[in-house]
Amino acid sequence: AQTVTQSQPEMSVQEAETVTLSCTYDTSESDYYLFWYKQPPSRQMILVIRQEAYKQQNATENRFSVNFQKAAKSFSLKISDSQLGDAAMYFCAYRTTQGGSEKLVFGKGMKLTVNP
Amino acid sequence: KAGVTQTPRYLIKTRGQQVTLSCSPISGHRSVSWYQQTPGQGLQFLFEYFSETQRNKGNFPGRFSGRQFSNSRSEMNVSTLELGDSALYLCASSLDRATEAFFGQGTRLTVV
Repeated sequence: AQTVTQSQPEMSVQEAETVTLSCTYDTSESDYYLFWYKQPPSRQMILVIRQEAYKQQNATENRFSVNFQKAAKSFSLKISDSQLGDAAMYFCAYRTTQGGSEKLVFGKGMKLTVNP
Repeated sequence: KAGVTQTPRYLIKTRGQQVTLSCSPISGHRSVSWYQQTPGQGLQFLFEYFSETQRNKGNFPGRFSGRQFSNSRSEMNVSTLELGDSALYLCASSLDRATEAFFGQGTRLTVV
């Protein structure tokens, strides 16, 4: 079974600075998807960024980028120019490409605080 | 385009009762998944439905069940509620084999 580990339960960053959130996972599959989701106090999970395992190029979405190390099974999220609105819980998630399942396996999450 | 809608937003039930939660997916999405979120266990997968068929099931007792209707709307039911069932229940919808799941705002269930 696949597992996702987020070892840092909380982090804080100063507004406008850069922060990196770490995530490791375990799988025997060669093709899969990885995601970072954000959950603000409103509770709605919002997709931040996704990475397809067969793509070597790291995904980027505006101020958000990932460092995907397939061999090390590591998938970290870098937030540049942090904004107050980035404060939220962040979840790393894994999804298989096999069997047509949409099931997501989540890490425990990390609370990000952005200080003005 | 309307997002994923979950009703009700909040619910308080007594131990031993049963509860039904509803999820309306984004129009055109045929896959609906349910997750339980608690402070202790985090986000755990309950089950997934696609075209009215359960496609995948998590490791939860039989008290947790679900179904999907022909319009893709889904319900989940929890019978004989226990205090430990208190949680945020999240529903997500997606196109089949899509790379993104869209979540609703969840139903906060409190069992007293």
